[in-house]
Amino acid sequence: GAVVSQHPSWVICKSGTSVKIECRSLDFQATTMFWYRQFPKKSLMLMATSNEGSKATYEQGVEKDKFLINHASLTLSTLTVTSAHPEDSSFYICSAITGGPNYEQYFGPGTRLTVT
Amino acid sequence: QKEVEQDPGPLSVPEGAIVSLNCTYSNSAFQYFMWYRQYSRKGPELLMYTYSSGNKEDGRFTAQVDKSSKYISLFIRDSQPSDSATYLCAIKGAGKSTFGDGTTLTVKP
Repeated sequence: GAVVSQHPSWVICKSGTSVKIECRSLDFQATTMFWYRQFPKKSLMLMATSNEGSKATYEQGVEKDKFLINHASLTLSTLTVTSAHPEDSSFYICSAITGGPNYEQYFGPGTRLTVT
Repeated sequence: QKEVEQDPGPLSVPEGAIVSLNCTYSNSAFQYFMWYRQYSRKGPELLMYTYSSGNKEDGRFTAQVDKSSKYISLFIRDSQPSDSATYLCAIKGAGKSTFGDGTTLTVKP
């Protein structure tokens, strides 16, 4: 199946700093990518939908000024957590969809963020 | 009411058992049905994908869809310790995918 990578796989940062997470579709072009957050033993919570070349669409309750999403190319989307707080510590997962009406959704391996 | 409800688990079975994982959904506009497996601290990986009522087999895994009852299942035969993971159902339609909360399965050797 298609491959989606994320970098870094884990990161520790101090409160108040910003962290950037990259999501890449390695063997297909993804016009749409999604960013999810997952708490321990909980399901995926969609944060935003990212379309190449346009502004991301954020889900209700997600602060767009705090979670900056950029989808600069058909294979790369980035999520920047700005002014991080300990409550932002979580597992962040991106996913990308292949084209066409019968699209398939593939997930990255996730990035574990710990804010101290 | 959630659009997708998944049996919460956790499930613990002995090696070799048949496992049944189940989800129900409420919106008949949903057309595509997926099962994902997620190991601890990893992203979900697509296991099965189907769009019609009936059964779809892939090795030890069988995905079953009953559109009239809005019910989907994943069966795992001859379960192995390596099958221990969280299984997520996902249902797609109307331009979006909706996930169940996941069922954590432990297969004991």
